[in-house]
Amino acid sequence: DQQVKQNSPSLSVQEGRISILNCDYTNSMFDYFLWYKKYPAEGPTFLISISSIKDKNEDGRFTVFLNKSAKHLSLHIVPSQPGDSAVYFCAAFTQGGSEKLVFGKGTKLTVNP
Amino acid sequence: SAVISQKPSRDICQRGTSLTIQCQVDSQVTMMFWYRQQPGQSLTLIATANQGSEATYESGFVIDKFPISRPNLTFSTLTVSNMSPEDSSIYLCSVEDGFFGPGTRLTVL
Repeated sequence: DQQVKQNSPSLSVQEGRISILNCDYTNSMFDYFLWYKKYPAEGPTFLISISSIKDKNEDGRFTVFLNKSAKHLSLHIVPSQPGDSAVYFCAAFTQGGSEKLVFGKGTKLTVNP
Repeated sequence: SAVISQKPSRDICQRGTSLTIQCQVDSQVTMMFWYRQQPGQSLTLIATANQGSEATYESGFVIDKFPISRPNLTFSTLTVSNMSPEDSSIYLCSVEDGFFGPGTRLTVL
């Protein structure tokens, strides 16, 4: 049973445009969500997070939106840059619980110059 | 944020042998996690390692195959035992605030 789902395995956008990566979750106990970026042969790099008490968090070009009723979150990157090309993982966990991160399968983003 | 290093960064091993991966953190952390990322797959949690107690393994992972040590609050090891080609993966350690090491790329021939 996949508790965190990223249904788009890949996404291609033009440089300067917006990239929107989506993530759905099924476990209503999750209350903290994170996005990671991963280049080949490197460990995941933390990008941005959001607590379930918020519906939006912004950090520079990255904004994460959370829709708790739909159990859906999205990562917006604007403007997209070629250096953003990587695999993006959505992850979730329950604060005060086991602290175990549950990951989606990732979305490979390609930003074309 | 914690700085996490792993050794080795990559290795190529023969079937039936074992490899121990080291994870060093530059600050004391209570919880450390070991993950595996098989080719084309997501990150899968192998086990949680707390200092002073036995590691807690996720479903599908057993101590005999993946013994873990956690001798202090800044260090942990994961051993991949009796390796087969199916163990070829990237192995990553992580700490409780969600930061990851650079990973160890293992290829088993």
